[in-house]
Amino acid sequence: GQQVMQIPQYQHVQEGEDFTTYCNSSTTLSNIQWYKQRPGGHPVFLIQLVKSGEVKKQKRLTFQFGEAKKNSSLHITATQTTDVGTYFCAGPTTSGTYKYIFGTGTRLKVLA
Amino acid sequence: NAGVMQNPRHLVRRRGQEARLRCSPMKGHSHVYWYRQLPEEGLKFMVYLQKENIIDESGMPKERFSAEFPKEGPSILRIQQVVRGDSAAYFCASSPPSGGSEKLFFGSGTQLSVL
Repeated sequence: GQQVMQIPQYQHVQEGEDFTTYCNSSTTLSNIQWYKQRPGGHPVFLIQLVKSGEVKKQKRLTFQFGEAKKNSSLHITATQTTDVGTYFCAGPTTSGTYKYIFGTGTRLKVLA
Repeated sequence: NAGVMQNPRHLVRRRGQEARLRCSPMKGHSHVYWYRQLPEEGLKFMVYLQKENIIDESGMPKERFSAEFPKEGPSILRIQQVVRGDSAAYFCASSPPSGGSEKLFFGSGTQLSVL
């Protein structure tokens, strides 16, 4: 079945350093979404990318969707302690039911 | 505009008991998804429902687990004869009826603990 992997699994950074997480799907995606889950919280939608090669920015966050629509990345510039949490990518299955498969997640810790 | 409501937030059951988890989607949303999350792990898809229909239950164990989303009332995830391995956070998410192109809105989750 379709699998969505993320690397790294964990990342510790000093406040002010940059951070990147990578998402790879075993199949082509029609779109990809990114979510953030704070410790003890629930996933919250960040952004959706639809077009091949698309790049979107939200303040210090930059999201990219690969040309083949099988991979994506999230880059955070100059991390802050408020960026702590787990970042998940998610994509709908390409066959039939459009259920959303979530990536394995990258847990970010920011050291002040 | 209330978000996705899940209750209870915490549920403690002894082995062999039944657990019922409830999810009320956002107003106007007719699609409901259930996910399971173990500590420090990802979100594992369980089931996808629309009103009165199960669209995809490929992630749900064949035994002891069932889900419904009736015409009236919340979606229910039911776990019969719970075992310790069922202890996890169960999240419900809802979306508008557009199929595969809408963002998911998550509830706060139900933390199930099986003693």
